[in-house]
Order: sequence, then structure tokens, then C-alpha cells
Amino acid sequence: KAGVTQTPRYLIKTRGQQVTLSCSPISGHRSVSWYQQTPGQGLQFLFEYFSETQRNKGNFPGRFSGRQFSNSRSEMNVSTLELGDSALYLCASSLGGLGYEQYFGPGTRLTVT
Amino acid sequence: GQQVMQIPQYQHVQEGEDFTTYCNSSTTLSNIQWYKQRPGGHPVFLIQLVKSGEVKKQKRLTFQFGEAKKNSSLHITATQTTDVGTYFCATNAGKSTFGDGTTLTVKP
Repeated sequence: KAGVTQTPRYLIKTRGQQVTLSCSPISGHRSVSWYQQTPGQGLQFLFEYFSETQRNKGNFPGRFSGRQFSNSRSEMNVSTLELGDSALYLCASSLGGLGYEQYFGPGTRLTVT
Repeated sequence: GQQVMQIPQYQHVQEGEDFTTYCNSSTTLSNIQWYKQRPGGHPVFLIQLVKSGEVKKQKRLTFQFGEAKKNSSLHITATQTTDVGTYFCATNAGKSTFGDGTTLTVKP
């Protein structure tokens, strides 16, 4: 069975721009979660979507938003990029949500200059 | 919200030695998940513990959940070079919270 895929894998953006990242979950998984990973802050939870509804949310500013489509694919958007947004953005899919085994994708490496 | 503290931050061992990482919380946890992330890779799920005092084994790996459900540990017996990576504990109660991880290096 195909794993979680994320596109693009690498991205370079300029401060002030916006960016959209995409995540395709494992077939049959209805939950998609997004994480930001940086050397200084570790793995931080952004939000979780289940059946097109945001079910849980971390402590990130409103510049970070997401959505999930009817086929469970999810997108994450970051507006007005800041230098500190440079990070590896990981998405994870699961059958039932955060309390279930989460399968992570390879991540999108975002660099903000 | 719930927070989990992991110790140690780094552990360097000789191949064949044992390794243990600990995950602690000041509050009772609903569950604990353990993940492994190889250098340059993404986290890979290892196990989930939900019951007080639960102990689970996967070959050379032993996972424990404390009686009070406030701490957990991952023990690797006789480490191998393939065990290198960062081991994270995580919990979720409304949102997902990961520990800072323990990075294991193994000298052959």
C-alpha cells in the first residue's frame, strides 16, 4: 500500500510570501495531521483534520491554516512568511486520529529567505 | 496542555551496550506513543501504550508505561548500528505533544 506523500519536497520562499503544501494520506485514512519540525523547537503539532473538519489545533498563529478535501488529501497554507517559518513540515495520516498509529510522510523542507 | 519531558537528550553507546530513554509528565497521560526518526528521515511509529503498568516487547525493544501513567521508558538491549536515530515519545489529549527526543549514536 502506498505511503503518505507530500509535495513539494523542497521549497524556497521569500519573507512575506505565502506557501501551500500538499499531503496525500494512505488510502482509507481519514485523519491528517500536520507538524513543524525545527532543531530548536522539535516536533510541534499544527492541526489535525478528520473527514474535512479541523478537529484539533496546536498553538500556532492564524497565518498557519489548513484544509482537507473529500478524498482526505490535505493542504497547509502559511501566509506572510517569516524567517522563523523555515522548517521541515511533516504530515501524518491515521485511520482514526491522534490516538492511533500515525504514518508520517517524508516532509516538505521550507526555507524562507 | 500536557507536556512530556524526555531524558537524556543524547546517548552515545558502544555497539552491544544497552540503551534507555525516559519520558516523564507531571500529569496523567491518556496514552504514550513512541516513534523513531533516522537521520534525514521521518518519524516511524513503534508502539502505543495505554494501560497503567503496561509492558510491551518488540525483539530487543522493551516499552513500559508507569503505574501512575506519568512516565514511560524505551529500553534497547544490545544495541546495533541500525538502532541509531532519535527516539520520540508522544501523547495526545486534544492535540499531539512530542517530547524533544533522545538521539542515540552507536559506535561499532
